Amino acid sequence: DAGVTQSPTHLIKTRGQQVTLRCSPKSGHDTVSWYQQALGQGPQFIFQYYEEEERQRGNFPDRFSGHQFPNYSSELNVNALLLGDSALYLCASSLRGGPANEKLFFGSGTQLSVL
Amino acid sequence: GESVGLHLPTLSVQEGDNSIINCAYSNSASDYFIWYKQESGKGPQFIIDIRSNMDKRQGQRVTVLLNKTVKHLSLQIAATQPGDSAVYFCAECVYGNNRLAFGKGNQVVVIP
Repeated sequence: DAGVTQSPTHLIKTRGQQVTLRCSPKSGHDTVSWYQQALGQGPQFIFQYYEEEERQRGNFPDRFSGHQFPNYSSELNVNALLLGDSALYLCASSLRGGPANEKLFFGSGTQLSVL
Repeated sequence: GESVGLHLPTLSVQEGDNSIINCAYSNSASDYFIWYKQESGKGPQFIIDIRSNMDKRQGQRVTVLLNKTVKHLSLQIAATQPGDSAVYFCAECVYGNNRLAFGKGNQVVVIP
């Protein structure tokens, strides 16, 4: 049973470019959340997708957008990249309406470097 | 002992000793708290959780203590092993929401 998988593992972009990161949730999970983790910091919540719609959003600009597909996989898109967008981007999956103690499972992340 | 590194507070502990990591949370509405372990190049890994109707919960070699009065959380690791070397984060949320707010990490370095 595969856990949460993310691709690519590493990515280098230049300022102003656009990037798409991908996530496949753990088998049986239907909800995907994205987090940004800057070096030396804890992860920061970006948004959460369920039933192919954005359900919750953190304090991130509209340059950050996402999508969820019918198979529950998800993409994170960032437009007009800034140097400050350099970070580890983590995907976490869970089962909405699942057991009360259902826990988030995190992927290993995509390390994005903006030059 | 404890020291503040360039980015993270660091706890150096001798193998076999007990470790205590502390965390202050900010949201009084939070009623669910989780400790995560993050090793280099990996995502956060669930260690133990606790709901606000409890003040202590034990797992295998780990214990979480919750003090709601002062909004403080701690993680105790018994008989620390080299494999425990990692960054540890506390996280809070409203139960069932799964929108986690992470605290600042603590680096644990186990000395063999």
